[in-house]
Formats: sequence, C-alpha cells, structure tokens
Amino acid sequence: GQQVMQIPQYQHVQEGEDFTTYCNSSTTLSNIQWYKQRPGGHPVFLIQLVKSGEVKKQKRLTFQFGEAKKNSSLHITATQTTDVGTYFCAGPPSGGSNYKLTFGKGTLLTVNP
Amino acid sequence: DVKVTQSSRYLVKRTGEKVFLECVQDMDHENMFWYRQDPGLGLRLIYFSYDVKMKEKGDIPEGYSVSREKKERFSLILESASTNQTSMYLCASSFSGKGFSSYNEQFFGPGTRLTVL
Repeated sequence: GQQVMQIPQYQHVQEGEDFTTYCNSSTTLSNIQWYKQRPGGHPVFLIQLVKSGEVKKQKRLTFQFGEAKKNSSLHITATQTTDVGTYFCAGPPSGGSNYKLTFGKGTLLTVNP
Repeated sequence: DVKVTQSSRYLVKRTGEKVFLECVQDMDHENMFWYRQDPGLGLRLIYFSYDVKMKEKGDIPEGYSVSREKKERFSLILESASTNQTSMYLCASSFSGKGFSSYNEQFFGPGTRLTVL
C-alpha cells in the first residue's frame, strides 16, 4: 500500500534558525496536505497543494510540491518558539478516494529561545 | 466556529471491558475518521465512514468496530479492551469534495487518551 515518509523525525533549532521537513510518497499524490500539532493538541490543517511544482507561502512558511507529485517540503524561515510542534504531511493516493489520507509519521520541531 | 467534539478527554478502562468512544461534528461533513496516535508511529487510520451506515476499514482495524447511525456522530467500539490498545484516539471529519483539487481538509477533535489496565 501507499507509504508516506517524513524526514527528519526530530529537529531541534535555535530561535531564528531555519527549519525544513521533507515528505516522500511511494505513489503519486493527487494533492498533499500539511498539518501542525502543538504539544498536547490535535492536528490542525495548514495548507493543501495540488499542482505539480506548486509553491505556496504563509508568512514565514513555504510549502512546495514536487514536479513528480511524489514529494513535498515545508520550510520555516527564522523559527520562533510558537513554531514548536509536530508537522505532518498527508496525501490521498492518486486514483483513489480523495478523502482518505495517509499521514507521514511527522517531524517534531523544538525551538530553543 | 466549526467543531469536532469527543466524549472524553481521558479514559481508564480494564482489560476485557467494552469501550465506546464517541465523536460528534457540527459541520454536516459526510466523512468521519478514527485514528490512533502513538509515539513514533504517527497517525494510523482505524476506520472511516463516508456516509451514514457506511464504513470502511483503515490500516489497523483489528480489535475495533465502528457505528455511524447519524451523520454527525461516529462511534469507535473496542469490543474487549486490551493493554495494547492504550493510546491517543483522534476523531476527524471532512467534507466530501468533488475532484482532485477540492479541499478536503480534515478537522480533528481534541482526542481521547485511553489507558487500559
């Protein structure tokens, strides 16, 4: 079945440093979604990318969808303590039902003030 | 303000007990999901439902069943709880979008931390 892998599993940075997490799927994705889960909280939707090569920005966050639609990345510029949490990517398999998602295991980001 | 609620934030049960976890959403979403979240394993799909009385197995359905009698409510049932079912259980719902580009983001409830002794 479809597998979605994320690296790194953990990342610890100093406040102000940049951070990137990578997501790779074993199958082509029709779209990819990113979620953030704060410590003690639940996953919250951040963004969805649909087009091959798409790049979207949300303030200090930049999301990319690969040309082959099998990989994606989330980059945070100048991290802040409010960025702490686990970032998940998720995607439905291409040709499958669009509402069922396979989640990566997530990247836990900690920020040292 | 959209909302997914779960019946309990924390739950402690004994091995062999029947356990019901309830989830209610107020967004008129067609799709509802049950996940369990364990350290290092991420979110794993147990069951999902795309309509009332309809259900499909996810990746780890063994030991679980579900019920969806009304559109807004999706229940997860542990017929005979075991210690390896100690976990965080997350319910989610989503709109049934049309087409690959439709936004079908999932809205999550706060989670139920279940401990089976």
